[in-house]
Amino acid sequence: EVQILESGGDLVQPGGSLRLSCAGSGFAFSTYAMSWVRQAPGKGLEWVAGMSGSGDRSSHADSVKGRFAITRDNSNNMLFLQMNSLRAEDTAIYYCARDRAAGGMFGWFDPWGQGTLVTVSS
Amino acid sequence: DIQMTQSPSSLSASVGERVTITCRASQDINIYLGWYQQKPGKAPELLIYAASSLQSGVPSRFSGSGSGTDFSLIISGLQPEDFATYYCQQVNSFPYTFGQGTKLEIK
Repeated sequence: EVQILESGGDLVQPGGSLRLSCAGSGFAFSTYAMSWVRQAPGKGLEWVAGMSGSGDRSSHADSVKGRFAITRDNSNNMLFLQMNSLRAEDTAIYYCARDRAAGGMFGWFDPWGQGTLVTVSS
Repeated sequence: DIQMTQSPSSLSASVGERVTITCRASQDINIYLGWYQQKPGKAPELLIYAASSLQSGVPSRFSGSGSGTDFSLIISGLQPEDFATYYCQQVNSFPYTFGQGTKLEIK
C-alpha cells in the first residue's frame, strides 16, 4: 500500500526556522517526483515546491523562493522542506504529495499525505 | 505565473443532478489541467488529469473536458459523498497553480 506521512509541523516565531519531513512507502520512491502543497486556514491550495525523483530538478514558488528549500534522501525514502525566515503568512497545513506517474515531473498529485500544521506566531 | 479562475465559487445542487464547474487559464495550457476533490479536514484527491483522463478508482460519473484555456468538470448524477470543494490545477509550467476552489453544497 502506498503511504505518505508528513511530520515536523509546529508553532514557531516569526523569523524562525522549521524542517518538515515526508516519508514515502509502498512505492519506488526514487522514481517519483514529489511536491509540497500548502493550505492556509480556510483558504485554497498553493503549490510550494517540487523535486524530480532523482533530485536533479527542483522548483519553488516565488512566495517562498530564497527562504524555503526542498530536498530529498532517496536512500531513506524521505522528502524534506527546510523553511527559514518564517512569516505569519506561512501559517498553513503543509501536504506532501507524490506525482501520479513515475519517470518525470508531471505535476498531478496522487496520493497526498494527511498534512502537518505549521503555525507562525509570536 | 498562470492564473486559474474557477466558476462558480459556490454551487448548491441536489442529489441526482448534473453539475458543471468551469476553470479558465490566463494563457494556453494545452491539456495540462487536473481536478481535485477535497472534503473538510481531509487531503485533496485527484479526480481527473490531462483535462479528461479519469484517475484510477474515481467513479465514472466524474468527467472532464477542454483544452487551451477553457476546461470543465462535470458530475453526472450527484451522490451525497460528492458534496465537497473542487479545485483545478495547471501543470503546464512552474509554478503550478490552482484555482480558488468551488464549494459544492447540498440544496
